[in-house]
Parts: sequence; structure tokens; C-alpha cells
Amino acid sequence: DIVMTQSPDSLDVSLGERATINCKSSQSVLYSSNNKNYLAWYQQKPGQPPKLLIYWASTRESGVPDRFSGSGSGTDFTLTITGLQAEDVAVYYCQQYYNTPRTFGQGTKVEI
Amino acid sequence: EVQLLESGGGLVQPGGSLRLSCAASGFTFSNYAMSWVRQAPGKGLEWVSSISVSGGSTYYADSVKGRFTISRDNSKNTLYLQTNSLRAEDTAVYYCAKDPRVGLNNPEYFDYWGQGTLVTVSS
Repeated sequence: DIVMTQSPDSLDVSLGERATINCKSSQSVLYSSNNKNYLAWYQQKPGQPPKLLIYWASTRESGVPDRFSGSGSGTDFTLTITGLQAEDVAVYYCQQYYNTPRTFGQGTKVEI
Repeated sequence: EVQLLESGGGLVQPGGSLRLSCAASGFTFSNYAMSWVRQAPGKGLEWVSSISVSGGSTYYADSVKGRFTISRDNSKNTLYLQTNSLRAEDTAVYYCAKDPRVGLNNPEYFDYWGQGTLVTVSS
């Protein structure tokens, strides 16, 4: 199984500042035949289901604000929130879909 | 509007069974692979099982293989998870989730999630 490890576990960020969340996979999730990274990011607010933010490591889901961006390739990925808003307080998860079982990171809690 | 509505959760004793359902609307259910993902109280997300568009291919986490069975009824736009031999560690909110791409055998990532149904395994 591919193990996904996020860092940090929690993050305190001031309003308007940048939040950076890292995700490392135990093996590459880059598929060489199509040069795509099989990695997604989700946001989960308390009492709500997860919400898809990013897929293919850097493609923003429709309707997601452009302050959310994804980057990275191979085994190392980053979710960046530029200009943190109060409504961004949540737990963020990365997920690989290169292999079955699909696996998630342990989550990173972003607080203000 | 895509809607996924889970039901069937509840309190069950260890060794018991529950059948979870997920009623889908707002999209052509038969065109999309579907999955169950669970979340233990205060914990992270764990993929449980997935099913292809036709139901002919199914996939399970090792933690539930042999105990859980995923199925779908495309005529009723409904996804199911039969859970047997339940253990305390199966206690979680169970979400159904939809794959965004038409016709996949094995869901990749999940663009829509239901609100979840809570399964509590306790004596």
C-alpha cells in the first residue's frame, strides 16, 4: 500500500497569510505514460463531508477559489492557501489514486 | 444537483450486520463508479470499497475484505454496503462518494460525497 504522510499535523495561520501543507507518498504517484500525478486534495469542515479541492495534483475543481493551489510531482506535493480566509479553517487531506487501495494522508488541521 | 443520501447506520453489537444504502440523484448513476469511505470518530479518512459502473468489478480494503460486500442497483440509483461480522473498529461515519469520470471500472478520486451514516459497534 502507498502510505501518505502529511506535515504538519496542525497549522496556525493568521488571516490573510499563507498556509502550506505538505504531502509525501511512500512511492511515486506519477504515471509515466501520461505524465500525470494521481493525487487529490480535500477540505473537511467540522460536521461536513470532505470537499474536493484539487485533482491531478494541481487542477483546481470547479468553484474552488483560486487562493487554493496544488503543486509537486512524484512523491512530494504541496497544498498552498494564499491569503487565508476565516472559512478556510478545516482539516485538509491528500489522497493518492495511483494504486488500490486508495489511501489518504492523516490530515492537517488549519486554524487561525 | 448531485445528491447522495446514505441510510442504514445505527447501533449494532459486535458480530452483527448492517446494510447501508446510498440513494443517488442529480446525475446518471449508471455511468459512474462509486465508493464507500469511512471516518472513525475524531480520525482521518479510510477508503473501504469501490464498485465499477456495471457492478462487475469490486474492490475492498484489506480491513473489510471477506466481511463487507459492495453492490449497486442501477435501476434504483442506489449503492449498498452489506457489513457483516462487525467489530468495534468498524465504528465510523460511512460516506458514499462518486467518481468524477464517466465509465471507470475503479474510482480514482471523489467529487461528490454524501453526508454520511454513523455505524456504532458496541455491546
